[in-house]
Amino acid sequence: EPEVTQTPSHQVTQMGQEVILRCVPISNHLYFYWYRQILGQKVEFLVSFYNNEISEKSEIFDDQFSVERPDGSNFTLKIRSTKLEDSAMYFCASSEGFFDTEAFFGQGTRLTVV
Amino acid sequence: KNEVEQSPQNLTAQEGEFITINCSYSVGISALHWLQQHPGGGIVSLFMLSSGKKKHGRLIATINIQEKHSSLHITASHPRDSAVYICAVEDYGGSQGNLIFGKGTKLSVKP
Repeated sequence: EPEVTQTPSHQVTQMGQEVILRCVPISNHLYFYWYRQILGQKVEFLVSFYNNEISEKSEIFDDQFSVERPDGSNFTLKIRSTKLEDSAMYFCASSEGFFDTEAFFGQGTRLTVV
Repeated sequence: KNEVEQSPQNLTAQEGEFITINCSYSVGISALHWLQQHPGGGIVSLFMLSSGKKKHGRLIATINIQEKHSSLHITASHPRDSAVYICAVEDYGGSQGNLIFGKGTKLSVKP
């Protein structure tokens, strides 16, 4: 069964460092998303991406964040200068279409900023 | 902005019991999702609903658009059903993927 793959599963980084979280969406999917879940809190939407550009982003997705689809398979989330409060589980998801289609989630990357 | 409330927050059941988890939201939506989050953190999509009812195996999801309410039922519950169940909605007129999530219901099924 096709799945969304995220790497690494866990990343520890120093405050102020740049991190790149990687995702390989399902191959025929066209819409890609990032979400985050701070420990003990709700999952929150960060950004949606389609046709090589951001479709929508939340208030959380400030200038420190960027997304990219550098090739035909990967979808990345970059955090430019990490803060302690960026520590969270980050989920990538993808869907085939825009309306009435199911999103498939990756297993998540746990980011710990120290 | 939509507010999503789930109840109960925590639920403990004996194996074999019928389980119901509820979700209510405050404004019109285009779709509602039920998700399962495993103890390791991974999320699996269970259902996406915009009306009526869907069934998959022992899981049934219903939605009442007029009452802004959805339920997830698990029949003949099993310890492997133990997980956090999350309701998430797409606001009407909002974009795909911009989901508003509930806090989740933590289900523990005892053998």
